Amino acid sequence: QKEVEQDPGPLSVPEGAIVSLNCTYSNSAFQYFMWYRQYSRKGPELLMYTYSSGNKEDGRFTAQVDKSSKYISLFIRDSQPSDSATYLCAMSGSDNFNKFYFGSGTKLNVKP
Amino acid sequence: SAVISQKPSRDICQRGTSLTIQCQVDSQVTMMFWYRQQPGQSLTLIATANQGSEATYESGFVIDKFPISRPNLTFSTLTVSNMSPEDSSIYLCSARTGKVNEQFFGPGTRLTVL
Repeated sequence: QKEVEQDPGPLSVPEGAIVSLNCTYSNSAFQYFMWYRQYSRKGPELLMYTYSSGNKEDGRFTAQVDKSSKYISLFIRDSQPSDSATYLCAMSGSDNFNKFYFGSGTKLNVKP
Repeated sequence: SAVISQKPSRDICQRGTSLTIQCQVDSQVTMMFWYRQQPGQSLTLIATANQGSEATYESGFVIDKFPISRPNLTFSTLTVSNMSPEDSSIYLCSARTGKVNEQFFGPGTRLTVL
């Protein structure tokens, strides 16, 4: 079983839609949860991070962590064509904060 | 945040040769990391590179195959040695600027081994 599971998509939505991206994980020691955006042929770009459970909002983006279910989400409101990219979740735990475990990424396509 | 550059951006190499990838950060950072990203797969950590000490390798990666240097707080290199087609991948450098959950990535080096 992989440490982090993420639906690869692709996910195709119309412009203006609310997008929900999700990851599940198996390691209960994970405490830091990150979301990265990766455009084609570019390196991953850190979007947001949260610590432990709860929600965090930044503009059109909201990150949610449910540690009881080992489930994290990233919501994108009013999606734009420029949001079209692959979204990667990543997490690390108290045993080694420096080692990030990544999901395989969900490819998102926002159609104008 | 940190701005990270990598050289080369891409290369096509012959089997049995070696390639050294350079990673430059625009500010001093404590920790740098090297990842591999294969098509459709997640990023896999190869090793952690700290200045002034030997790199720490993850399971499945060895120093003879992936020697790493970290001569100062802004620069690191990863060498892919004795390459085979299975080494074809994107190699990414990242750096941690301070907070444990902030790792910033370079643009990657796309390697094809024939």
